[in-house]
Amino acid sequence: DAKTTQPTSMDCAEGRAANLPCNHSTISGNEYVYWYRQIHSQGPQYIIHGLKNNETNEMASLIITEDRKSSTLILPHATLRDTAVYYCIVRVALGGGNQFYFGTGTSLTVIP
Amino acid sequence: GAVVSQHPSWVICKSGTSVKIECRSLDFQATTMFWYRQFPKQSLMLMATSNEGSKATYEQGVEKDKFLINHASLTLSTLTVTSAHPEDSSFYICSARVARDYGEAFFGQGTRLTVV
Repeated sequence: DAKTTQPTSMDCAEGRAANLPCNHSTISGNEYVYWYRQIHSQGPQYIIHGLKNNETNEMASLIITEDRKSSTLILPHATLRDTAVYYCIVRVALGGGNQFYFGTGTSLTVIP
Repeated sequence: GAVVSQHPSWVICKSGTSVKIECRSLDFQATTMFWYRQFPKQSLMLMATSNEGSKATYEQGVEKDKFLINHASLTLSTLTVTSAHPEDSSFYICSARVARDYGEAFFGQGTRLTVV
């Protein structure tokens, strides 16, 4: 079962920063937060992941609160190609399987 | 990032026949692969976890005799939908995990199965 809660949908103006929140209030101390996105009819694309420190890569930044109960994915300058469903996933370690369980995600629409 | 390739991208088959979908990790070795299915406008649902050289672990409610998974090598896993029916029509997606603790998983492009 997914352990995260995300808003169902969000809009963002092109060129602006898109801030996507995720609640994971039951996260355990050794669980990471992962973000993926899925563009229509494609497989999910890895974006970023982190444990407790903020992370940044060429795609996005991940801000994790100090208590680790929530996080925010930031796309600094959203483009139309960033329109997708964004999934926040807490990595569940079960007997070494380390499955990725997807929640409902946030459908982000970037508006021209 | 690492590349995971699925084949075929789409397939149409007759009801009652079996369909095999391949998932390959092209530039890394994947000790663990995952299989998902996704219905229109819904999220990905994990079907099973496949470990190289051992039997797959199926999620609750997934029929292991209907969805046969083989993971014979570190770069290839296959999903066979046996005796397919129209309700099996879906988007099937595989994923392979980089073999290190808390490594990210990379996903294939998906296979659209239509059973007629």
